[in-house]
Amino acid sequence: QKEVEQNSGPLSVPEGAIASLNCTYSDRGSQSFFWYRQYSGKSPELIMSIYSNGDKEDGRFTAQLNKASQYVSLLIRDSQPSDSATYLCAATYSSASKIIFGSGTRLSIRP
Amino acid sequence: EPEVTQTPSHQVTQMGQEVILRCVPISNHLYFYWYRQILGQKVEFLVSFYNNEISEKSEIFDDQFSVERPDGSNFTLKIRSTKLEDSAMYFCASSDLAGRAKYGYTFGSGTRLTVV
Repeated sequence: QKEVEQNSGPLSVPEGAIASLNCTYSDRGSQSFFWYRQYSGKSPELIMSIYSNGDKEDGRFTAQLNKASQYVSLLIRDSQPSDSATYLCAATYSSASKIIFGSGTRLSIRP
Repeated sequence: EPEVTQTPSHQVTQMGQEVILRCVPISNHLYFYWYRQILGQKVEFLVSFYNNEISEKSEIFDDQFSVERPDGSNFTLKIRSTKLEDSAMYFCASSDLAGRAKYGYTFGSGTRLTVV
């Protein structure tokens, strides 16, 4: 069974600090990896995608991928209260026909 | 920014009734998906659809479920005889030809289905 694993949290981070979210995946053939943000009762919103080893930065967000360790992470710099949400890690199956989601990490930014 | 539109936003139905959930994908997208999320649980893949046929389906997508693209714009999910455990948020998503799943999906705002 192909899986994407995340710590469910909650992860509590003070405002202005760096939030670090982690994820592992089981399918070595996965090529594309995503971080989605989901507010309570809302749909997932794509915030980062990463396809090759290393770091990818977009504003306050940095995604990191290590295919050898099958590990994906998301760093959020200068955390804001509006970043409080559940963060979903996702990966494509090797066939790229679908995206599989982890169960999400609940992030809480405390003022 | 282009959107995936889902209707209705909330549907309440009696157990055993048929429901149809509707989605209008982004106009130039060719791959369509349905996912569901039971309250407090993960977003689960149901089915992918391309070129008027199912590309892949999960074990959740049994004979009670069907999908259709009845015209050039709508993409529907039908549940023939709803069960209490079908209560969930149902999300439609689409992706373009070049990306398929590779570049991520755009999700609709979801339909909350409550079976009583």
